[in-house]
Amino acid sequence: AQKITQTQPGMFVQEKEAVTLDCTYDTSDQSYGLFWYKQPSSGEMIFLIYQGSYDEQNATEGRYSLNFQKARKSANLVISASQLGDSAMYFCAMRENSGGSNYKLTFGKGTLLTVNP
Amino acid sequence: NAGVTQTPKFQVLKTGQSMTLQCAQDMNHNSMYWYRQDPGMGLRLIYYSASEGTTDKGEVPNGYNVSRLNKREFSLRLESAAPSQTSVYFCASSVWPTYEQYFGPGTRLTVT
Repeated sequence: AQKITQTQPGMFVQEKEAVTLDCTYDTSDQSYGLFWYKQPSSGEMIFLIYQGSYDEQNATEGRYSLNFQKARKSANLVISASQLGDSAMYFCAMRENSGGSNYKLTFGKGTLLTVNP
Repeated sequence: NAGVTQTPKFQVLKTGQSMTLQCAQDMNHNSMYWYRQDPGMGLRLIYYSASEGTTDKGEVPNGYNVSRLNKREFSLRLESAAPSQTSVYFCASSVWPTYEQYFGPGTRLTVT
């Protein structure tokens, strides 16, 4: 079973509008972390935002915010005021403990966002 | 401070050849990881090393071996390359407490 599900293979948004990228996760751990990464066409992986499972407030970083709904096991990324440079692949990831002090991330398959002028 | 570096950036191999992908980080991170990225599959974990001297299998370890040479360096070896190993390979490192991954620039490998 997939641990991270991104149901939107592709999304389109008009420049200056807001867009929400969906992510649901599956874990039985109480302590976990959720991440969003951006991968532009140049290929590098860029960290955007992090939410810990015990964090009561939704994480925000500039134009990025993470809509964390723990009971629904969802961690959607909201990008406000989209810019042309936001066109990229976006990956949701979850950190889990894999035994002792071992931690690893599991990534979703990604959502390709295209911002139209 | 170079972060995470990977060599080479590009490589073409023939089926059956071997090669080692090199990764180094200068951030004093304990944990290091190797991923492969294929179209439509996201990033899949091949092997990881929680600390110097330890390595563990990830989701797709078959056909690969790793060595954690020291705290800085974590190499990935393909003993007998196969066309199914054509992919982009990323190395990453992370640190307690969030384990946010810091990625290298990637290696694009083609096996013919």
